[in-house]
Amino acid sequence: QVQLVESGGGVVQPGTSLRLSCAASGFSFSSYGMHWVRQAPGKGLEWVAVIRYDGITTYYADSVKGRFTVSRDTSKKTLYLQMNSLRGDDTAVYFCARDRDMVPTNYFDYWGQGTLVTVSS
Amino acid sequence: DIQMTQSPSSVSASVGDTVTITCRASQGIRYWLAWYQQKPGKAPELLISAASSLQSGVPSRFSGSGSGTDFTLTISSLQPEDFATYYCQQAASFPYTFGQGTKLEIK
Repeated sequence: QVQLVESGGGVVQPGTSLRLSCAASGFSFSSYGMHWVRQAPGKGLEWVAVIRYDGITTYYADSVKGRFTVSRDTSKKTLYLQMNSLRGDDTAVYFCARDRDMVPTNYFDYWGQGTLVTVSS
Repeated sequence: DIQMTQSPSSVSASVGDTVTITCRASQGIRYWLAWYQQKPGKAPELLISAASSLQSGVPSRFSGSGSGTDFTLTISSLQPEDFATYYCQQAASFPYTFGQGTKLEIK
């Protein structure tokens, strides 16, 4: 069965960096686009970034562009989110999610359990 | 960016009722719309994609309709497990924006 497991969250100070990981299993990881979506405490969902199956094509929300980098390691079946210059408004639960189809649809059919990132001094 | 506006923000209903949630896009997105259900402390779950296509395993009491800018999610014969927060999401163009959510509460 499809499983996505995030890790790497924690409490960090403003201006510092953090890398999140999302370990995938139960499907052909190299064939699907993968997304990051976040949710600030008590708030709604915000799409953050996507990396297509090719590992090259990426898109970002304006709020993170230039600070966050999404990447993937097909051999490890792992998705990453490198977060630099973190700010207080980056505080959120970060979910990784799979694109529904091998052809990009930008619907998210499987989600991880989320990992909490808290940016605070 | 395409703005997604859901209404109502919250709704109270009883088991067995039918509830309709609407989602409006700030510009046309054809049928590129999904609905998700989220329960407290859990990840969202995909219910409907392409405006009206029910995800495998989702009960048939959930249905979606609409195209262009106006969409609806209808839940018929509400069950206790349906009380949750629902989000619409446009998949037409990035950034792939969500509505603000609709909290469905037990009356």
